[in-house]
Amino acid sequence: QVQLVQSGAEVKKPGASVKVSCQASGYTLSRYVMHWVRQAPGQRPEWMGWINGGNGVRDYSERFQGRVTITWDRFASTVYMELSRLRSEDTAVYYCARGLYPRCWFDLWGQGTLVTVSS
Amino acid sequence: EIVLTQSPGTLSLSPGERATLSCRASQSVNSNNLVWYQQKPGQAPRLLIYAAASRATGIPDRFSGSGSGTDFTLTISRLEPEDFAEYYCQQYGSAPLTFGGGTKVDIK
Repeated sequence: QVQLVQSGAEVKKPGASVKVSCQASGYTLSRYVMHWVRQAPGQRPEWMGWINGGNGVRDYSERFQGRVTITWDRFASTVYMELSRLRSEDTAVYYCARGLYPRCWFDLWGQGTLVTVSS
Repeated sequence: EIVLTQSPGTLSLSPGERATLSCRASQSVNSNNLVWYQQKPGQAPRLLIYAAASRATGIPDRFSGSGSGTDFTLTISRLEPEDFAEYYCQQYGSAPLTFGGGTKVDIK
């Protein structure tokens, strides 16, 4: 079955970091680009960055430069998104989403991971 | 950055009625690189339309997309009960990828 399965919900304090995983199954990770998109409560989705599943090349939205790191373990078909220096405004559902290119649409989404930042 | 503005914010309609949703871009979207998603509460977005007018796999033909340049439209010809949801447009013609603010289609 073609799917993306993400890690579970997290609660973090301001200033901490969070790392969310996304395991791909049913397809070859190296043939696609994995993107990360977040959605704060009641807000529009916000694109964060991508990683090429074949060669590990990555890029990030300027809005998150310096705070986000996307990595991958191709042998485990798993992609990771780490966000540092968390603040309350980072409270959101974080999704991994599959695309064919760095600039594209997303045809497959993970189930989402709620990250709550609270003191 | 391309800003996408969706209207109306909320559309109250009855099953069987036609829904017309608008997405306007702050600048022309390259090669009509715009998609539409449907999102239900607690779920991830689901791809409906890509390249402005092409239906994704498995999407019923009551969903159609049109438009070019800065003005795009999603039309649902006859609303089914399962169509009441939030709808987002997204452009991928320019970095950063951006999403519209959404239109909620609810039951009148």
